[in-house]
Amino acid sequence: DQQVKQNSPSLSVQEGRISILNCDYTNSMFDYFLWYKKYPAEGPTFLISISSIKDKNEDGRFTVFLNKSAKHLSLHIVPSQPGDSAVYFCAASGVGGSNYKLTFGKGTLLTVNP
Amino acid sequence: DTGVSQNPRHKITKRGQNVTFRCDPISEHNRLYWYRQTLGQGPEFLTYFQNEAQLEKSRLLSDRFSAERPKGSFSTLEIQRTEQGDSAMYLCASIWGVNTEAFFGQGTRLTVV
Repeated sequence: DQQVKQNSPSLSVQEGRISILNCDYTNSMFDYFLWYKKYPAEGPTFLISISSIKDKNEDGRFTVFLNKSAKHLSLHIVPSQPGDSAVYFCAASGVGGSNYKLTFGKGTLLTVNP
Repeated sequence: DTGVSQNPRHKITKRGQNVTFRCDPISEHNRLYWYRQTLGQGPEFLTYFQNEAQLEKSRLLSDRFSAERPKGSFSTLEIQRTEQGDSAMYLCASIWGVNTEAFFGQGTRLTVV
């Protein structure tokens, strides 16, 4: 039972345009959400996070939106750059008794074309 | 701060052999996690340490797997009698305090032949 779902295995965008990566979750106990970026043969690198008490968090070119009622979050990258090409993982954590372990989606491969 | 360090980066072993991986977390990070990632999947939680205490183990962690974190510093993950299904990337992550941004190492790629 996949508690965190990334339904798009891949996404291709042109350099300079917006990339939107989507993530859905089913467990209402999740209250902290993170996006990680992963290059081949490397470990995931933390990108941005959002607490369930917020609906938006922004860091430079990266913005994460959270819609709690829909159990949906998205990562916007504007403008997209070729160096952003990587696999992006959505992860969720339920603090307070969950030991802060992360539950990951299967990832979305983003390709930014020059 | 040199980040989370994992050794070896790659390991090829024959089926039935034992292997051990090491993780050195960011210094003073009291929480340490092991995850496993297979092709086309996201990382899956295996086990968690707070300081030297192993507080949670996933049901994915069969009795062939054992993890330790002596003295609350580095951690080791041992797999006994390896099987081809154990082939995966094994990732270690550490967190300081109640901050939930986990920092990952580069992983150990295990191939069982």
